[in-house]
Amino acid sequence: DTAVSQTPKYLVTQMGNDKSIKCEQNLGHDTMYWYKQDSKKFLKIMFSYNNKELIINETVPNRFSPKSPDKAHLNLHINSLELGDSAVYFCASSLGGLRAGELFFGEGSRLTVL
Amino acid sequence: KNEVEQSPQNLTAQEGEFITINCSYSVGISALHWLQQHPGGGIVSLFMLSSGKKKHGRLIATINIQEKHSSLHITASHPRDSAVYICAVGKTSGSRLTFGEGTQLTVNP
Repeated sequence: DTAVSQTPKYLVTQMGNDKSIKCEQNLGHDTMYWYKQDSKKFLKIMFSYNNKELIINETVPNRFSPKSPDKAHLNLHINSLELGDSAVYFCASSLGGLRAGELFFGEGSRLTVL
Repeated sequence: KNEVEQSPQNLTAQEGEFITINCSYSVGISALHWLQQHPGGGIVSLFMLSSGKKKHGRLIATINIQEKHSSLHITASHPRDSAVYICAVGKTSGSRLTFGEGTQLTVNP
């Protein structure tokens, strides 16, 4: 069983479209994250949720909206996609937040905006 | 200047060599993470440490809090160790990770 699973793994879409990436973890963790990895392979935090509550919201355009229906799921919805949104998006989870536990990552979702 | 600096950026080694990747940081931290990203893209957590040394198989991670420095060592390197190794720190003042730019390791047979 995959611990942290993201779908879709690849997403190719046109500018202006709206798309979602889903993430689920079966580890019983209480904290989940979305990270963006740009073309230079640099990882950057976007959002973090702890028990469905938003605890980190980096300087991310309002077009990005996370949603956590329960502590095992953290989805990422992106409106009005732009070329610069092309990247790999990683979901991750940890137990007790970053100070307590190691991170478990999903396989990444490669978004290409044309 | 990044708060987390890794060196070297690129490293090529022959199979069997002992490898060291360094990470220096300039902020107070609660923990330091070493991550591995394989060519396929997946990211795996190797270590999380806040003091001393940890060992897992051929991998050893050390941290010196006073010097704000950590090293990742790979003994008896193997081509399957080829990956990007990423250092990340959790600051004491917050709840987010700050990442280094990664070290691309290539181990040739």
